[in-house]
Parts: sequence; C-alpha cells; structure tokens
Amino acid sequence: GESVGLHLPTLSVQEGDNSIINCAYSNSASDYFIWYKQESGKGPQFIIDIRSNMDKRQGQRVTVLLNKTVKHLSLQIAATQPGDSAVYFCAENRNSGGSNYKLTFGKGTLLTVNP
Amino acid sequence: DADVTQTPRNRITKTGKRIMLECSQTKGHDRMYWYRQDPGLGLRLIYYSFDVKDINKGEISDGYSVSRQAQAKFSLSLESAIPNQTALYFCATSDLPGTSGTDTQYFGPGTRLTVL
Repeated sequence: GESVGLHLPTLSVQEGDNSIINCAYSNSASDYFIWYKQESGKGPQFIIDIRSNMDKRQGQRVTVLLNKTVKHLSLQIAATQPGDSAVYFCAENRNSGGSNYKLTFGKGTLLTVNP
Repeated sequence: DADVTQTPRNRITKTGKRIMLECSQTKGHDRMYWYRQDPGLGLRLIYYSFDVKDINKGEISDGYSVSRQAQAKFSLSLESAIPNQTALYFCATSDLPGTSGTDTQYFGPGTRLTVL
C-alpha cells in the first residue's frame, strides 16, 4: 500500500511469480486512475490507466483493478521479470473544474524482483 | 521519454544562487507541469500551465517561478536556491482531455539538483 511516512513500501518477489501492488486513494470524486513505473535514474513511465466506470482493465502482462467502494486500486503484474524492478506509483485524476484535470500521486511502492 | 527533454540533467549550486531548469517537448501537448520528487514524499506539483498564457501554482510553489516561453517550452526558476530545494525535478506534459476526459501525463528524464 501507499506510505504515510518517510519509508517507501517494498514488495519483493521471485522472478516468474505474479506481483500485486496496492494503492488507496482519497477522493471518491476521482474519475480516472493511472499507474506509473519509475526505474532508477529515470522519469515515471505510463503503464496503464482505468476510468472510474470500469473495475478492471488489462494490458500486456498487467491488470489494474478498481474497487470504488473501498477506494482501492491494484496493479497486478504477471510472470514478474527482473526488468519490472522499479518504483510503482498510482495517480488519481481529480477534476478541478471544467476541463482542468490534475493528477495527485501516491508515494510509491518499490518492487524488487529476485532472480 | 525522448519526447520530453530536460536540461541540465544534473546541477550542483550554492545557497542564494539563481537557477533555471528547462523543459522542452515535441509531443505537441498544450499542458506542461513541474514536479519535485523527494524520498518518501512522492511527486509534488510546483507549477502547471494549461496553455501559453496560463500559469497556475501547484501545492508547493513558494521559492519557485516559471515561464512558458512557447507551447513547447516551460522553464522553472529558483530565484535564490536553498538547501531544502535539493531534489529531483520532473517536467511533464499532457494533451487536452478531449472526449476521453483523461489527462495522462508524460514525464521527462528529470534534473537532479543539489543546493549546498
């Protein structure tokens, strides 16, 4: 889950296993959610997104699940590979009026894949 | 992402100096953003611009200023740098939400700034 302190949550998995990274969001009015991956020394990279009118969306090896009742988002990575090692951020898109959307980011989870 | 570039990539400066970080994009997006990233605190929005004539403060704008010189260029200035502005700085861009109503942001590679 997302950290409320100074330490980044960590998840360590074996290569080939499935990974599940969780995120709790705060605003029930948020209508769009994004997962980003940030490798060491690089900027965040878009992975997958989901609208609030959906509860599941699949990409290549990744699935995002949205539970609006408990304001929870998860990212599932199938057959995790060493190249998946990174920090993963969820972001919620809050409509601040008209077409003025802004993203609010979680603090991230560090995924480490062990060979 | 090569479509969003930031210069410099690394900078070490001294307290009180004026610093400018530059961002350029070839994605043709109207919207541009500046964030800072600190360990354990995630990404925090400093300033954002929805078009060339639009500048808005984010959650942590104190001590920073920006200039949107063109659709493709958005620079961030630290007028008088202080040590607690040591951080990673990211520029991002996004397109208009359009009919999809979404606002996916695409990030540059970041600038590591150290203020001594």
